[in-house]
Amino acid sequence: DTGVSQDPRHKITKRGQNVTFRCDPISEHNRLYWYRQTLGQGPEFLTYFQNEAQLEKSRLLSDRFSAERPKGSFSTLEIQRTEQGDSAMYLCASSTGLGSAYEQYFGPGTRLTVT
Amino acid sequence: DQQVKQNSPSLSVQEGRISILNCDYTNSMFDYFLWYKKYPAEGPTFLISISSIKDKNEDGRFTVFLNKSAKHLSLHIVPSQPGDSAVYFCAATFDTGNQFYFGTGTSLTVIP
Repeated sequence: DTGVSQDPRHKITKRGQNVTFRCDPISEHNRLYWYRQTLGQGPEFLTYFQNEAQLEKSRLLSDRFSAERPKGSFSTLEIQRTEQGDSAMYLCASSTGLGSAYEQYFGPGTRLTVT
Repeated sequence: DQQVKQNSPSLSVQEGRISILNCDYTNSMFDYFLWYKKYPAEGPTFLISISSIKDKNEDGRFTVFLNKSAKHLSLHIVPSQPGDSAVYFCAATFDTGNQFYFGTGTSLTVIP
């Protein structure tokens, strides 16, 4: 397995357009997380899936954001009616949830620029 | 509100010396703490973790110390190597592991 992959790596879009990002986790990982990271900040939690169930969602997450994980494999994050404030790096991470540390494996991220 | 804080944006250390990165948190209910390293254009990479029931965990050159009374943890890297130059994030989570809280990161530069 080559690790967590994300597609696309870069996305430039105009304000008001919809965008969708894809994350392919490590195959045996049942836990999947989405984060947003802006310059000078750490990753900010957006949402969490265990298999196909979305179990946690940030209170700060706008209703323009939606995520899915059909069949508990890959996941998509969609942003509707993008705003300039949505410009950020969007990171996906996966883990097995086994053991005590919940060690996460991160993908390389999708950098979104909203013009 | 920022529940995990890293107050030092940057740190420079000579090769071979000790690097100490600090992290403070506000929520005493956190169960696990983790450290991640991030190189430019890559996602964060897990380094080491510690349970709230322990005060020290060691893995090779990396040791994490937890002081629950002070709500403070630190990462020690000994000896520091130029390849350790990266941004280091601390993170915390509860027992469920459903949500993680990250600090703002400390950029470590190890000078050869």
